[in-house]
Amino acid sequence: SAVISQKPSRDICQRGTSLTIQCQVDSQVTMMFWYRQQPGQSLTLIATANQGSEATYESGFVIDKFPISRPNLTFSTLTVSNLSPEDSSIYLCSVDPQGGTSVTEAFFGQGTRLTVV
Amino acid sequence: AQKITQTQPGMFVQEKEAVTLDCTYDTSDPSYGLFWYKQPSSGEMIFLIYQGSYDQQNATEGRYSLNFQKARKSANLVISASQLGDSAMYFCAMRVYNQGGKLIFGQGTELSVKP
Repeated sequence: SAVISQKPSRDICQRGTSLTIQCQVDSQVTMMFWYRQQPGQSLTLIATANQGSEATYESGFVIDKFPISRPNLTFSTLTVSNLSPEDSSIYLCSVDPQGGTSVTEAFFGQGTRLTVV
Repeated sequence: AQKITQTQPGMFVQEKEAVTLDCTYDTSDPSYGLFWYKQPSSGEMIFLIYQGSYDQQNATEGRYSLNFQKARKSANLVISASQLGDSAMYFCAMRVYNQGGKLIFGQGTELSVKP
């Protein structure tokens, strides 16, 4: 298994500002994923972050709004930019310790609950 | 396209009884995995159980078991001896082997355990 530390656990931000969320893993992993969960909804993948390459964004999500960094195999950040109340959600990072070569494992961080006022 | 369907928005169960949460999936890929997660009000996603598409036996983890019916494309979660702490949202998810590792989630089922 992998232990994932996600920070902050929650934040209240003013509209127009940005929030950067950190995800630290206790082992090296090839693939890290960022999900968004809007209030009362399911989880939707924002992007996949691979070390040494640009993140791959899902339809409806763009780099200018959700820039992602992946400086090494144990760390990633997601920034939510130019915040609006519609960005109020839980943001979760997830890792696949097998690097996508196995379907057996998928672990999540504790989540970041963002409220935009 | 891959899809996960959970048709029960909310479920109630009496403490100490068993409950089944439904999940059906759709994929044409032969290699995939099915996951169940528990999400309490804190928002974290707690991994419960995993079933691979080639697994012959139904997965079990303590009080959790997965009723995997491949021909019907269903992967129902069975919780035995429900406890008050089981009250939470439950999500079924699928990962397809050749789709880069992402998880596709169902809409979730809110389980309430009554004393």
